[in-house]
Amino acid sequence: NAGVMQNPRHLVRRRGQEARLRCSPMKGHSHVYWYRQLPEEGLKFMVYLQKENIIDESGMPKERFSAEFPKEGPSILRIQQVVRGDSAAYFCASAGTSGSYQETQYFGPGTRLLVL
Amino acid sequence: QKEVEQNSGPLSVPEGAIASLNCTYSDRVSQSFFWYRQYSGKSPELIMSIYSNGDKEDGRFTAQLNKASQYVSLLIRDSQPSDSATYLCAVKSSSASKIIFGSGTRLSIRP
Repeated sequence: NAGVMQNPRHLVRRRGQEARLRCSPMKGHSHVYWYRQLPEEGLKFMVYLQKENIIDESGMPKERFSAEFPKEGPSILRIQQVVRGDSAAYFCASAGTSGSYQETQYFGPGTRLLVL
Repeated sequence: QKEVEQNSGPLSVPEGAIASLNCTYSDRVSQSFFWYRQYSGKSPELIMSIYSNGDKEDGRFTAQLNKASQYVSLLIRDSQPSDSATYLCAVKSSSASKIIFGSGTRLSIRP
């Protein structure tokens, strides 16, 4: 019963390095959402992807952040030249039937990014 | 005005009592409403979803939706210490693919 998988679970980077976060959706799901959660705050939508397509990136910072969901393999959230303010928990969620108003998103365990 | 608003709490409720969590939203065309529970350091877990006006019950949980008032609530009956967590209200508009989350209400059940 494989749910949404994310790795790594914890990631430590120094300022200026790159962070790569991976997300494998639930079996049969082809829609992936990325969220960021700062300490003591709610989840902020970042980007919604389908296989090989970015559908909605309205929540992505304009610089340093990018996301992809290739035909094969996991979805990747990439943060270049990390800064301390990027420290947060990054959650991935997957859904199978986007477009339906009854679509439910299931969350992965998250990646905790710490920038030193 | 925030798109989805919740009282941050903490809301303290004695064990065995009813916990009432409230949420308001600003987008009138919202169609889908979700309550997620999040334990500290863990990922959100779906508790309830509701799509039409009225009440929806699932075990000790009841979700209530009033689209005219743009209000959705979650009632937890017979509260248990294990219900202590942050509860996130989430709303999906029919015109958008993304779900908007409130900042969450921290619930504490005291023995």
